[in-house]
Amino acid sequence: SQELEQSPQSLIVQEGKNLTINCTSSKTLYGLYWYKQKYGEGLIFLMMLQKGGEEKSHEKITAKLDEKKQQSSLHITASQPSHAGIYLCGADREAQGGSEKLVFGKGTKLTVNP
Amino acid sequence: DTEVTQTPKHLVMGMTNKKSLKCEQHMGHRAMYWYKQKAKKPPELMFVYSYEKLSINESVPSRFSPECPNSSLLNLHLHALQPEDSALYLCASSQVGTETQYFGPGTRLLVL
Repeated sequence: SQELEQSPQSLIVQEGKNLTINCTSSKTLYGLYWYKQKYGEGLIFLMMLQKGGEEKSHEKITAKLDEKKQQSSLHITASQPSHAGIYLCGADREAQGGSEKLVFGKGTKLTVNP
Repeated sequence: DTEVTQTPKHLVMGMTNKKSLKCEQHMGHRAMYWYKQKAKKPPELMFVYSYEKLSINESVPSRFSPECPNSSLLNLHLHALQPEDSALYLCASSQVGTETQYFGPGTRLLVL
């Protein structure tokens, strides 16, 4: 089963509009990562959240982790065409031998129309 | 410098070929990763190396053979691949543990 649910799956907005992408986990989040990916390219790290209630901002992007640490949101203010891409949330999960691995949500495709 | 480089950028190979993907980082990271990403899907972990030792193999078929010759380099050797192995192969690195992973631009592989 998909452990990280992202919504919406896709989003089309007009340039200048604000938008929010959500990431919900069935398990407590101990490390939540947001990445951006352009089609066919690598993932660009945006932000990482660990503490309940934590909020981080970079330029026009703000990410929050709720107090219960099961939901995160990514908010973009005054969107620009450069914000277009696929936004992926990722979380640390236990792997074999006590190691940890990163698992991703299915992604949210953002289109910003000029 | 948060750059991870990957070569080649594109690769086309037949099912009987042997090829290798290369990944390099100079951030002093001691954990390196290979991911496979199919179209419109999220990346899926294949292998993890920690301090140049294989620590995670996510039940990947033996036609994929990883190698970590030193702390800066990670290779993925490919042999007798199937068309369904066509995908974007991403390399990442991080400090050991659960620190942020930094990704390379990927190698787009097409198996004919």
